[in-house]
Amino acid sequence: GNSVTQMEGPVTLSEEAFLTINCTYTATGYPSLFWYVQYPGEGLQLLLKATKADDKGSNKGFEATYRKETTSFHLEKGSVQVSDSAVYFCALSDRGADKLIFGTGTRLQVFP
Amino acid sequence: DAGVIQSPRHEVTEMGQEVTLRCKPISGHDYLFWYRQTMMRGLELLIYFNNNVPIDDSGMPEDRFSAKMPNASFSTLKIQPSEPRDSAVYFCASSSLYGSAYEQYFGPGTRLTVT
Repeated sequence: GNSVTQMEGPVTLSEEAFLTINCTYTATGYPSLFWYVQYPGEGLQLLLKATKADDKGSNKGFEATYRKETTSFHLEKGSVQVSDSAVYFCALSDRGADKLIFGTGTRLQVFP
Repeated sequence: DAGVIQSPRHEVTEMGQEVTLRCKPISGHDYLFWYRQTMMRGLELLIYFNNNVPIDDSGMPEDRFSAKMPNASFSTLKIQPSEPRDSAVYFCASSSLYGSAYEQYFGPGTRLTVT
């Protein structure tokens, strides 16, 4: 069945460091891929998405490229801020399916 | 738009009591999802509805849990009787296939504590 695998956290970085959070997926068909972010005490919110191979989603300085050949959708940011501290969830939806499949989440902690 | 609205934001109850969580989805959305989040089990999909009809309730942990959607603007998740292991944050989310398909919009959650 469809699944999403994320790197274990927490990821601990200093402010202005480069961020990569790995995400790989297993799916039949051609899924859409998402990154959601959950700030402390809040619900999840969509950060970025990509709907087909080689698409790049971007928002708030974060980027992720849909790589069909490696079944990956890694999240990157060139220079993190303390305010980026949150839990990041990778997710996929399979065309024709109604629901999202979420990864386990990766906690990011950024220190000044 | 006010976004997905959940109430109450916090609920503390004693074991054995009935608990009802409420959700108002974004107007015009035709899908509604209930999730549970705990440290141990992460984010779990409990049940989801399409056009007020339950589509998949395979994530509902046991018969103590029930969910209804009497109309397009309201849903409830009920736990009766509640147990300490039900303590979690419960999220409601909604989406529409006619907007940006499969993007889900989450509410702020209800933090449930069962003592």
